[in-house]
Amino acid sequence: SAVISQKPSRDICQRGTSLTIQCQVDSQVTMMFWYRQQPGQSLTLIATANQGSEATYESGFVIDKFPISRPNLTFSTLTVSNMSPEDSSIYLCSVDAGGSGETQYFGPGTRLLVL
Amino acid sequence: DAKTTQPPSMDCAEGRAANLPCNHSTISGNEYVYWYRQIHSQGPQYIIHGLKNNETNEMASLIITEDRKSSTLILPHATLRDTAVYYCIVRAYNAGNMLTFGGGTRLMVKP
Repeated sequence: SAVISQKPSRDICQRGTSLTIQCQVDSQVTMMFWYRQQPGQSLTLIATANQGSEATYESGFVIDKFPISRPNLTFSTLTVSNMSPEDSSIYLCSVDAGGSGETQYFGPGTRLLVL
Repeated sequence: DAKTTQPPSMDCAEGRAANLPCNHSTISGNEYVYWYRQIHSQGPQYIIHGLKNNETNEMASLIITEDRKSSTLILPHATLRDTAVYYCIVRAYNAGNMLTFGGGTRLMVKP
């Protein structure tokens, strides 16, 4: 299994500002995913990040709002830009374990509150 | 990915078996059934997955019907720490396919 850490674990931010969330994996992985979980809701995929290529965004999510970096096979960042209270959510990264994509492992999440 | 249907909530007595059902009537031949759970304020945790045979690991058992249109996750001896939201997901078994989460079942294990 993969061990995933995220920083920060939580933050309170003012509207109009930006926050960058880091995701670190203890092994090299090809695919990394970023999810959002709004209060009381299920998880929604934001984008898929492959090392060496631009992230692929799901419908309703755009690069200007959620820029993603994937500089190497163990690390990724997600930035939530120009935040509003509607961005208050838990943001989670996950990785496919192994080349076969057998399971996905999730980080502990970053809890964001925008005032 | 095929859609899944789960009851929104269930209760279970501590020490008893918890049986969580999932309907996936439109599942394709190459799609596996995955189960995850999310304990409050934590990231989802992988539990088990299977294609057509029943599977068992240290956490749970997965029973898939012969027509593969439904499955049941069994926690043999539920504890209070098993209180969580359980997600049933169907996904093709190849790299790069994201997980599509539905509403899940909120399992409450009671003393």
